[in-house]
Amino acid sequence: EVQLVESGGGLVQPGGSLRIFCAASGFTFSNYNMNWVRQTPGKGLEWVSYISTGSGTIYYADSVKGRFTISRDNAKNSLYLQMNSLRAEDTAIYYCARAIRWPDYWGQGTLVTVSS
Amino acid sequence: EIVMTQSPATLSVSPGERATLSCRASQSVNNNLAWYQQKPGQAPRLLIYGASTRATDTPARFSGSGSGTEFTLTINSLQSEDFAVYYCQQYINWPRTFGQGTKVEI
Repeated sequence: EVQLVESGGGLVQPGGSLRIFCAASGFTFSNYNMNWVRQTPGKGLEWVSYISTGSGTIYYADSVKGRFTISRDNAKNSLYLQMNSLRAEDTAIYYCARAIRWPDYWGQGTLVTVSS
Repeated sequence: EIVMTQSPATLSVSPGERATLSCRASQSVNNNLAWYQQKPGQAPRLLIYGASTRATDTPARFSGSGSGTEFTLTINSLQSEDFAVYYCQQYINWPRTFGQGTKVEI
């Protein structure tokens, strides 16, 4: 069974940093591209970042470019998102999602709240 | 950036009826379109990819159609578990973009 479990979310002050994690199991992690997608409470979905299987191709949404860094460790079946210079508008549930070309499996998400 | 526009924002239907949801892209995405279902407190679940191919475990009452800029998700004979929010997403260009969602309610 494919499982994606996010962790590391929490409350952080504006301007602060946070690193969130996604642990994958039930499939060959190194064979799949991965994404981070976020959802503001009560609002819609916003794609955040993408990383290819070998980390050779990475994309970011303009809203996070220069502040967020996506990475993965295929040996540990793990996906990461380092978030710096956090803003109130980054407050959201962050989902990791496995992708072929489209996201097919999603984790349950981790809540990041940016507030003083 | 490709803007995805869904209509209507809310669709009120009764169990057993048909629901028709629309998604429009600001430029052609060919058939590079997916549909997702999201229930309260849950992650999105893939329903359709390639505009019309049902994902594993997607019931046959869900069907997708369209190509280019106009797409439709049809849910035949709505079941109680189908009341949720539905999102379309294009995956032809970066950034990937989602529609704002259609809430299907009783």
